[in-house]
Amino acid sequence: DQQVKQNSPSLSVQEGRISILNCDYTNSMFDYFLWYKKYPAEGPTFLISISSIKDKNEDGRFTVFLNKSAKHLSLHIVPSQPGDSAVYFCAASAQDAGNQFYFGTGTSLTVIP
Amino acid sequence: NAGVTQTPKFRILKIGQSMTLQCTQDMNHNYMYWYRQDPGMGLKLIYYSVGAGITDKGEVPNGYNVSRSTTEDFPLRLELAAPSQTSVYFCASSYLWTASYEQYFGPGTRLTVT
Repeated sequence: DQQVKQNSPSLSVQEGRISILNCDYTNSMFDYFLWYKKYPAEGPTFLISISSIKDKNEDGRFTVFLNKSAKHLSLHIVPSQPGDSAVYFCAASAQDAGNQFYFGTGTSLTVIP
Repeated sequence: NAGVTQTPKFRILKIGQSMTLQCTQDMNHNYMYWYRQDPGMGLKLIYYSVGAGITDKGEVPNGYNVSRSTTEDFPLRLELAAPSQTSVYFCASSYLWTASYEQYFGPGTRLTVT
């Protein structure tokens, strides 16, 4: 049972435009969310996180939005750059439920120069 | 710092063979994890460890064993390999077992069981 879902396997965006990657979750106990970026033949690297007490967190070109009522989060990349081309995973965790991280299936982003 | 290192990078096993995937971290992290990633799927936690001598099962532990004799090393043992264990295996570590601390991942081991 996939508790964290990324329904778009792939996304293509022109360089300079906004990339929006979406993630949905089913477990209302999740209270911490992270985004990881993964290049081929490498392990995932941490990108940005958000706690459930916030609805937005920014770090440079990356912003994560959390809508708790909809159990939905999104990652915005503005402006998109060719080096952003990678697979993006969202992950969720519940501090009161063992703190295991549950990962989505990933979205492959291609930024076209 | 080398971070999290994994060996081997690739391995082909025959059904029923055994092997150990090695994982070492040099960041003095207490917490270490093993994940597997099947094609088109997210990472699933196999086992984790909160410190030397302490391990616990994750979401998909069947067919695997782990040990943690030192802070640095967290090997994953596959006994009686099966085709269902064909996957990419990632080891990770983190400073604390709280959701606010991100995990650092190794480059992965691609395992094929035929």
